[in-house]
Amino acid sequence: DAGVTQSPTHLIKTRGQHVTLRCSPISGHKSVSWYQQVLGQGPQFIFQYYEKEERGRGNFPDRFSARQFPNYSSELNVNALLLGDSALYLCASSRETGIWGYTFGSGTRLTVV
Amino acid sequence: DQQVKQNSPSLSVQEGRISILNCDYTNSMFDYFLWYKKYPAEGPTFLISISSIKDKNEDGRFTVFLNKSAKHLSLHIVPSQPGDSAVYFCAASGLGANSKLTFGKGITLSVRP
Repeated sequence: DAGVTQSPTHLIKTRGQHVTLRCSPISGHKSVSWYQQVLGQGPQFIFQYYEKEERGRGNFPDRFSARQFPNYSSELNVNALLLGDSALYLCASSRETGIWGYTFGSGTRLTVV
Repeated sequence: DQQVKQNSPSLSVQEGRISILNCDYTNSMFDYFLWYKKYPAEGPTFLISISSIKDKNEDGRFTVFLNKSAKHLSLHIVPSQPGDSAVYFCAASGLGANSKLTFGKGITLSVRP
């Protein structure tokens, strides 16, 4: 079975631009969560979605948004990129919300220049 | 305000010896504690967890101890192997709507052959 798939693996954007990151969960997993890992820090929670509905939001500005599609895949969108948005963005999927059996993808490395 | 703290950024041990990785937390509402292992260019991989109602959980070479009164947990790896060299994250989670993971900064473990 395929694990959690994230695309792209790497990308470079310019300040002020917009970026869309994509995540395909493990088959049968209905919940997707997004985390941001800045260099030297642990992953920080951004969003959790379950059955296309937002179930949790971390302490991130409104420039960050996400959605989940009927096939349970998800997109993370970041507008008006700042240098500080440079990070590894991790997607994790789980069967249900409220259960902590998360499986993480390998992440998307975003560099903002 | 870090709710999960891993105060030692790195640890180096000899192959075959015990590795002890420590973690402290401040939020008494956490219900589960987890350890994740992360290799470069990969997402975090679940290692072992413990419920707040237990004080010890063992899985092969890995044992996690929880001291609720001290808000402290530790991961013991015995015996340590070179393949254990990685970054280890301590994470905590609540239940239900609070099931997001709160991570520490991580500890880099190096096991010397």
